[in-house]
Amino acid sequence: QKEVEQNSGPLSVPEGAIASLNCTYSDRGSQSFFWYRQYSGKSPELIMFIYSNGDKEDGRFTAQLNKASQYVSLLIRDSQPSDSATYLCAQGGTGRRALTFGSGTRLQVQP
Amino acid sequence: DVKVTQSSRYLVKRTGEKVFLECVQDMDHENMFWYRQDPGLGLRLIYFSYDVKMKEKGDIPEGYSVSREKKERFSLILESASTNQTSMYLCASSPTGTWGSPLHFGNGTRLTVT
Repeated sequence: QKEVEQNSGPLSVPEGAIASLNCTYSDRGSQSFFWYRQYSGKSPELIMFIYSNGDKEDGRFTAQLNKASQYVSLLIRDSQPSDSATYLCAQGGTGRRALTFGSGTRLQVQP
Repeated sequence: DVKVTQSSRYLVKRTGEKVFLECVQDMDHENMFWYRQDPGLGLRLIYFSYDVKMKEKGDIPEGYSVSREKKERFSLILESASTNQTSMYLCASSPTGTWGSPLHFGNGTRLTVT
């Protein structure tokens, strides 16, 4: 079982809709979670990180963490075509400084 | 803004060549990392370093070595390149402190081994 699981997609949503991206993890010792966005041919860029149970909002983005159920999600409100990218979920805090990444979910926002 | 610079954007090497990938960061970060990214496999950690001259193996260190002689520079070495090392290589850095700090990535090096 992979440590961090994501549905590869593609997840297709219409412009203006809410995109919901999900990630599950197996290590209960994880303390920190990160969402990265990666455009085709580019390197990952950090969107949000979350350490505590609950929601964390930043502009159109909301990260949700549920440690009891071992999942973390990213909501993108008012999705735009420019949000079309692969979104990587990563976990940290399991005894090493490196992050463990999921394989990513490809999001397509249809104009 | 943190800047992580990888020396080459694209590289083409022959099987058996020794290959050096260079990475420099300008934010005085203690931690530096090398990942490779392949379709369907995501990012996989090759090696990381938490201090000058210190290194730790990641999940897939076979066929690779690293060097960190200065805090700002972290080099990945392919001792004898093979075709299965064709991949996108990403360098990243992070500050020390709490486990699991955000990583800042360089632009990546797409390596093709023929």
